[in-house]
Amino acid sequence: AQRVTQPEKLLSVFKGAPVELKCNYSYSGSPELFWYVQYSRQRLQLLLRHISRESIKGFTADLNKGETSFHLKKPFAQEEDSAMYYCALKEGMGAGGTSYGKLTFGQGTILTVHP
Amino acid sequence: NAGVMQNPRHLVRRRGQEARLRCSPMKGHSHVYWYRQLPEEGLKFMVYLQKENIIDESGMPKERFSAEFPKEGPSILRIQQVVRGDSAAYFCASSSRQGAVEKLFFGSGTQLSVL
Repeated sequence: AQRVTQPEKLLSVFKGAPVELKCNYSYSGSPELFWYVQYSRQRLQLLLRHISRESIKGFTADLNKGETSFHLKKPFAQEEDSAMYYCALKEGMGAGGTSYGKLTFGQGTILTVHP
Repeated sequence: NAGVMQNPRHLVRRRGQEARLRCSPMKGHSHVYWYRQLPEEGLKFMVYLQKENIIDESGMPKERFSAEFPKEGPSILRIQQVVRGDSAAYFCASSSRQGAVEKLFFGSGTQLSVL
């Protein structure tokens, strides 16, 4: 069965410092990976997905199949980045996975950016 | 568009009572997902429904839990004879089409507390 691990429950950095939120997964096929974010008193929302290879709010994430990782990175953290971040995995279609939103989430990492 | 609406936000039940959680998807969305988040854990998939159909209920406990998404009205997650272990945050998400994993919109969740 697939599994997503976020080893850091809490992560604190100062404004302007680089930040990396770790995500490791366990899955035998080719998964789709996502990062979701929940800001204070707001709903969980999609931040980015590896298929798009995009940068959102300065964040990037690269899928490393050799290390089975999908770490989220930002070179210069901002105070407004403080939030809960969840890494999520969806089974790839080629492995008999679904075409719909059945995701496996990590436990989440609370990022705090200090002024 | 008010987004995905869940009610109540907080629900307190005594052991043995029934809990009913409601989810109104975004306007125009016909796909609904329920996720559960136990304390200190990530969100876990429970069930995926389309109007009047349960598509995937592989994450639902075998007993006491049921879900529906009628032709008219909100989706309902029903927990009969609640136990303390059912205490959790229950999140609903909706999408406009089956394959739109990247466009899952989450509600604010219902926090169920069983006394």
